[in-house]
Amino acid sequence: EAGVTQFPSHSVIEKGQTVTLRCDPISGHDNLYWYRRVMGKEIKFLLHFVKESKQDESGMPNNRFLAERTGGTYSTLKVQPAELEDSGVYFCASSPESGKAFFGQGTRLTVV
Amino acid sequence: DAKTTQPPSMDCAEGRAANLPCNHSTISGNEYVYWYRQIHSQGPQYIIHGLKNNETNEMASLIITEDRKSSTLILPHATLRDTAVYYCIVRGATSGTYKYIFGTGTRLKVLA
Repeated sequence: EAGVTQFPSHSVIEKGQTVTLRCDPISGHDNLYWYRRVMGKEIKFLLHFVKESKQDESGMPNNRFLAERTGGTYSTLKVQPAELEDSGVYFCASSPESGKAFFGQGTRLTVV
Repeated sequence: DAKTTQPPSMDCAEGRAANLPCNHSTISGNEYVYWYRQIHSQGPQYIIHGLKNNETNEMASLIITEDRKSSTLILPHATLRDTAVYYCIVRGATSGTYKYIFGTGTRLKVLA
């Protein structure tokens, strides 16, 4: 069974540019989460999808971040325009109804 | 904020049991205790979870106190590959509370 897959694994962009991260959850998992870890800090929750609906987006830092999950399958997280403080590792996770979450290997974003 | 408190670091000799404590004194009756670990900068890896009974799987054992205010993760025979940051997380059982709130975790170093 394929795990949670994230693309790209690394991304280096200039300040002011746009970046889109993608997450493919485990097939059949209705719950999809985005997290991020910035340098030296804890892993922080960003948002939670149930199918295509945003259940909880309380962790989204500001309106430069936009997450979508069209059709309740894969999800994208767009940062536009990117700032230096957005650098970090972005993790996606998915889970079935109330089961344990499986995490992807993350996308390391560097904004220069 | 995280609902758990863990020691920042611990050392364990290879081959010995590693006992990682966690305090969660404000846990609610329907909240689960989950343990994950993160090796280097990989995605968090699920270890074990429980509600009120002790649990054991191929990776570890979880001991939850009767009042559920604390728990201990036990790695019975630690190896060098168990060196990682271990996170104790309290998670709800309803859709609005599925998200994980990560604390600072315990950095376990297994010594040869």
